[in-house]
Amino acid sequence: GAVVSQHPSRVICKSGTSVKIECRSLDFQATTMFWYRQFPKQSLMLMATSNEGSKATYEQGVEKDKFLINHASLTLSTLTVTSAHPEDSSFYICSARAANTDTQYFGPGTRLTVL
Amino acid sequence: GQQLNQSPQSMFIQEGEDVSMNCTSSSIFNTWLWYKQDPGEGPVLLIALYKAGELTSNGRLTAQFGITRKDSFLNISASIPSDVGIYFCAGGTYKYIFGTGTRLKVLA
Repeated sequence: GAVVSQHPSRVICKSGTSVKIECRSLDFQATTMFWYRQFPKQSLMLMATSNEGSKATYEQGVEKDKFLINHASLTLSTLTVTSAHPEDSSFYICSARAANTDTQYFGPGTRLTVL
Repeated sequence: GQQLNQSPQSMFIQEGEDVSMNCTSSSIFNTWLWYKQDPGEGPVLLIALYKAGELTSNGRLTAQFGITRKDSFLNISASIPSDVGIYFCAGGTYKYIFGTGTRLKVLA
């Protein structure tokens, strides 16, 4: 099956710093990548959708200046949490979708802890 | 953000029992997906459904896409301890909305 990786798997940072999370599709070209956030014991909430080479589309309530998304190639998307605060601590998960398919394959997630 | 209604929220079952869970939506979807998530990991796709009325199996798992296109269910037959985890439905077309999750615990 399709494999999606995320790096890092865990990150701890100080309040006010920025953190970059990478999402890669390893064995297929992902025309679209999605970024989700999951708080403990809750479901996944879609943050934004990114298409290769274009600006990301953010869901209502998600600050685009705080969560910068770049999808520069068909196998890589990055999420940068800028000026992170403790309330940004969460499990961030990406998914990737190949062209001509409706199925999303998820990465293993990144646990962000902001002190 | 919008979420799908998924039930039950959690369940304890004996090993060997069958399990049923379902998702309902106020919107019509073109695709239903079912995922399992283990603690600290990303969701893993179990079954994908693309057509109303479709019934699809994956080993001991069977899922159906409701005729109204507003619901789906997942059955697990003869549960085993490794079935423990959280099961999520997801509905949508281009982007997906996730259900609230069903937390399954299997008693040996």
